[in-house]
Order: sequence, then structure tokens, then C-alpha cells
Amino acid sequence: SQKIEQNSEALNIQEGKTATLTCNYTNYSPAYLQWYRQDPGRGPVFLLLIRENEKEKRKERLKVTFDTTLKQSLFHITASQPADSATYLCALGADMGYGGSQGNLIFGKGTKLSVKP
Amino acid sequence: DAGVTQSPTHLIKTRGQQVTLRCSPKSGHDTVSWYQQALGQGPQFIFQYYEEEERQRGNFPDRFSGHQFPNYSSELNVNALLLGDSALYLCASSFIQSGNTIYFGEGSWLTVV
Repeated sequence: SQKIEQNSEALNIQEGKTATLTCNYTNYSPAYLQWYRQDPGRGPVFLLLIRENEKEKRKERLKVTFDTTLKQSLFHITASQPADSATYLCALGADMGYGGSQGNLIFGKGTKLSVKP
Repeated sequence: DAGVTQSPTHLIKTRGQQVTLRCSPKSGHDTVSWYQQALGQGPQFIFQYYEEEERQRGNFPDRFSGHQFPNYSSELNVNALLLGDSALYLCASSFIQSGNTIYFGEGSWLTVV
């Protein structure tokens, strides 16, 4: 069955350092991969989407890579700040025939990032 | 521009009861998906509605049903509630074309006692 794993439940880093989160998957060939941020008691907030034919995407201090051979995505937050503390979710999606691809996402359990001042 | 809105935000039900959760998608979106998120877990896909039809369904029993209205809003119904149904129920909306961003609502917290 499809499986998606995020490397650790929790990651603690010092302010200013780069946080690197890992997402690995098996038994799946996603058309795209997304990263979300979720704060306690809130819904997930979309951060970045990367498609299977893309190697890297950047948005401000965020960078995501996607290696379909290794079946792995890395999510980086550079110059991390305490405000970056949250749970980060990785999600895989497939394109469907009718074009409805965005809804059926497979999520990992998330990695809780804590950035200490 | 309102984002995805869900109601109610919190509710408590008794085992065996039925519950209806509601969702209004973000303006311009035509597709609504529902997810269940248990504590400490990632969201799990329940089903997706487009053009008032259920298009995709995850691994959830028939006790979970839904509906999409002509104005694209949606309802999630859960019958014969079990203690294990206690979770955060998330609604997500998007525009049907592939590659578009999904927006999540803040969710409805359901506690079954």
C-alpha cells in the first residue's frame, strides 16, 4: 500500500540556521508533491507545490526538491525564525482523468519544527 | 475575499448520533474535498465533490456521506457516530484545473462521547 514518511516527528534548531525536513514515499508515483504548514488547532496552509518533472522550487526563504528516483522530497527553510515553528506536512497527489487532481492528497504525519531564539 | 469557511467550529456528539458539517469554498473554487485529521496524524482524504457529484473517495465507510450544492458549498454527514470518529474535519477547496493550489478551512472539531 502507499506509504509516506516524514523523517522525524520533531526537529529542534537554532534561530538563523537552515531547517531541512525530509519526506519519503513508497508504492506511489505522484504527479506532484506539496508542503503545508499547520499551526496548532488550525487548518493546513499551502506553502509550495512541485511537479514530478521539476527538480527544485523556491519561494522566499523556502526551497523544496523532488527526486522521483529516490522517492524523496527535501524541504528547506533558510535563516529560520521562531515564527517558523509549526508542524510541516508533506502531501502527494496524482492527476486524475477528469482533471480533478487536487483533492485526493496523501499526507504524511508531519514534522514539528521548533526554532529556538 | 473570504477563504474556506467551515461550521460549526466545535461540537460534541454522543455515540450513535448523526452529525452534519458544512463548508463554503473560497470564491471562484468549484471543487470541495473533505479530510479527517486525528490527533497527531496527517489529514486523511474522505472524498471529493465536483459538479455536485462525488468524484473520488478514500477508505472510509458508507457512514460518511456528502453533498455538494449548486453554489459549490458542501456538507459532510456522518451517521452512527463512533468514539473513533472524534477528529478535526477539514474542508479544502480548489479550482478543478490541475496544478492549482488547495485551500483548507480551519476545520470542525468533533468530539464523540
